[in-house]
Amino acid sequence: DTEVTQTPKHLVMGMTNKKSLKCEQHMGHRAMYWYKQKAKKPPELMFVYSYEKLSINESVPSRFSPECPNSSLLNLHLHALQPEDSALYLCASSQVGGQGINYGYTFGSGTRLTVV
Amino acid sequence: AQSVTQLGSHVSVSEGALVLLRCNYSSSVPPYLFWYVQYPNQGLQLLLKYTSAATLVKGINGFEAEFKKSETSFHLTKPSAHMSDAAEYFCAVIPNSGGYQKVTFGTGTKLQVIP
Repeated sequence: DTEVTQTPKHLVMGMTNKKSLKCEQHMGHRAMYWYKQKAKKPPELMFVYSYEKLSINESVPSRFSPECPNSSLLNLHLHALQPEDSALYLCASSQVGGQGINYGYTFGSGTRLTVV
Repeated sequence: AQSVTQLGSHVSVSEGALVLLRCNYSSSVPPYLFWYVQYPNQGLQLLLKYTSAATLVKGINGFEAEFKKSETSFHLTKPSAHMSDAAEYFCAVIPNSGGYQKVTFGTGTKLQVIP
């Protein structure tokens, strides 16, 4: 299995809703990432988990709450979002360190989030 | 801090023509370099990567890229464009320093293929 699976593919939520994005991989990767991508822009890093521990939080607002329950799963809990949070949210996974050949992300297809 | 620059936010080529997408990096130590492709409303798909094994790297869909240390470049080429190549292309760099992989993306180049 060489895929990163993200659900749902599309999500529309109100500003008072609570929802969660899910990401799953079975490649044995021990680093997992959340990215946010606005239209016509490159992805922007939000969070990095390494060995199921949060390693990087790129000053993301607290209305985004990541969770890594095990080495295969990554969640992003959403609460009280703003319309400007509408974007494509991408999950990725990778090896941690090792040889150069191991480098490179595998991305999921993303969740298209619309906040109304 | 390392960075990557993609020259040209939009590139148009005719079907069957050569595709050349430019990427230059800035790093005191040669990093790992990547090209990703993104089709509309999709995630990013790895096209190819340079990890110091060979300077000419062949990827999927007929694309290849050559690492040139003297020019700090990693340009993406394809001899003959297909309509299906129309997409956004991102050059990316990861430092050669181990640990988790913090990627720096270029700003992207949108490739248009004209019939």
